[in-house]
Amino acid sequence: ETGVTQTPRHLVMGMTNKKSLKCEQHLGHNAMYWYKQSAKKPLELMFVYSLEERVENNSVPSRFSPECPNSSHLFLHLHTLQPEDSALYLCASSQETSGSGANVLTFGAGSRLTVL
Amino acid sequence: GQNIDQPTEMTATEGAIVQINCTYQTSGFNGLFWYQQHAGEAPTFLSYNVLDGLEEKGRFSSFLSRSKGYSYLLLKELQMKDSASYLCAVRDSNYQLIWGAGTKLIIKP
Repeated sequence: ETGVTQTPRHLVMGMTNKKSLKCEQHLGHNAMYWYKQSAKKPLELMFVYSLEERVENNSVPSRFSPECPNSSHLFLHLHTLQPEDSALYLCASSQETSGSGANVLTFGAGSRLTVL
Repeated sequence: GQNIDQPTEMTATEGAIVQINCTYQTSGFNGLFWYQQHAGEAPTFLSYNVLDGLEEKGRFSSFLSRSKGYSYLLLKELQMKDSASYLCAVRDSNYQLIWGAGTKLIIKP
């Protein structure tokens, strides 16, 4: 497989459930990201990992818990979510987190989350 | 605060030309990106501008004016498959990406 793969593509959960989103990249990139995409709103950066170390956490509620066990895998653990957390969660990777050059993001197709 | 503005929705005709504008106010500038996102799919990279001027890539071109805080994406010879959302993003002085809300482009036969 190539690119960035996200599973599951669709997830419906109750507010008391615990679930996880998975992301895998086969590009040899050093940085991985979680974004939240809500309708008609800009992408919201949630977490950034560089070489498996979390380098950014944009004031995300603790009910979202990221995990990066290695440079190819990224998880987003979900627990006691709220209906307003329903959105598309996008994973992305890039060669690095900063520096000169384009440093283009490669996105996965996203996990569509619905919280009932 | 930092802000990216782009139209919410545009409609164009197959075979025509459309220009999607993006204006920005950010803390510094380290490049502007355009991404395309088809419904239910991953955003994919279209273009990157860091210097003023026009960058052409096939049917798509992207223009940047740093002094005006302005960019546009020009799509020529529109095809039905160009129906998608187009996301503008600016990298600020801290190399953080600031995103616009996206422009949904509808192509009609």
